Amino acid sequence: GIQVEQSPPDLILQEGANSTLRCNFSDSVNNLQWFHQNPWGQLINLFYIPSGTKQNGRLSATTVATERYSLLYISSSQTTDSGVYFCAVHSGGGADGLTFGKGTHLIIQP
Amino acid sequence: NAGVMQNPRHLVRRRGQEARLRCSPMKGHSHVYWYRQLPEEGLKFMVYLQKENIIDESGMPKERFSAEFPKEGPSILRIQQVVRGDSAAYFCASSPRDTHYGYTFGSGTRLTVV
Repeated sequence: GIQVEQSPPDLILQEGANSTLRCNFSDSVNNLQWFHQNPWGQLINLFYIPSGTKQNGRLSATTVATERYSLLYISSSQTTDSGVYFCAVHSGGGADGLTFGKGTHLIIQP
Repeated sequence: NAGVMQNPRHLVRRRGQEARLRCSPMKGHSHVYWYRQLPEEGLKFMVYLQKENIIDESGMPKERFSAEFPKEGPSILRIQQVVRGDSAAYFCASSPRDTHYGYTFGSGTRLTVV
C-alpha cells in the first residue's frame, strides 16, 4: 500500500516562530488532508488539499502532487498550536480509508 | 448542528468482556469510517460503512471485531473477548460522500482493557 512519511517527527519552537512540516507519499493520490490532534486528543481537519495551495489564517498548505509531497506552514506560532499534525492520503486503490503518517509532534513554548 | 458524536468517551473493560463503541455521524453524512490509534502512532483504518452496508473492512482484525451501521441508529464497533492489546483510542469519522471530502472526526473512545 501507499507509504506516508512525515518530518520532522518532533519540533520544539518558541511562541511567534514559523515552521514548515513536510509529508512525502509514495504513490499518486486523489485525496490529501492535514489534521491537528490537540493535547486532549481531538482531531481537527485543517485542509483538504490533493493539489495546489490553500490558506486559512496563520496556516497554509501546499501539495505538489507530481513530486509527491505536501507542506504545512504555521506562521507566528501560538501555544495553542501545540499537538500532533497528521498528513493523511487516499490513493484511489486498495483500502477505502485514509492512510495516515506517524505525525509531527509540535510543542510551542511561551 | 452537532458534529460526529462518539460514546462513551472512556471505556474500561476486563479481559474477556465485550466492548461496544457508538458513533453517530454528522447530520447529512451517510459514510462512516472507524480508525484505531495506538499510543504514539498515527491512525489506522479499520472499516468503512454506509447505511446497512459494509463497504470495506480490510483493516479490521479477522477475529473478535465487527461493525455495523443500521438503517436507524448509530454505527457500532463491537469487540468481543477483549485483550490488553485492544487498548487504544478508537475514532469514528463521517463524510457526506465517499471521496473523504468534508471528513469530520468524533472525539474518540479511549478503551482500556485491564
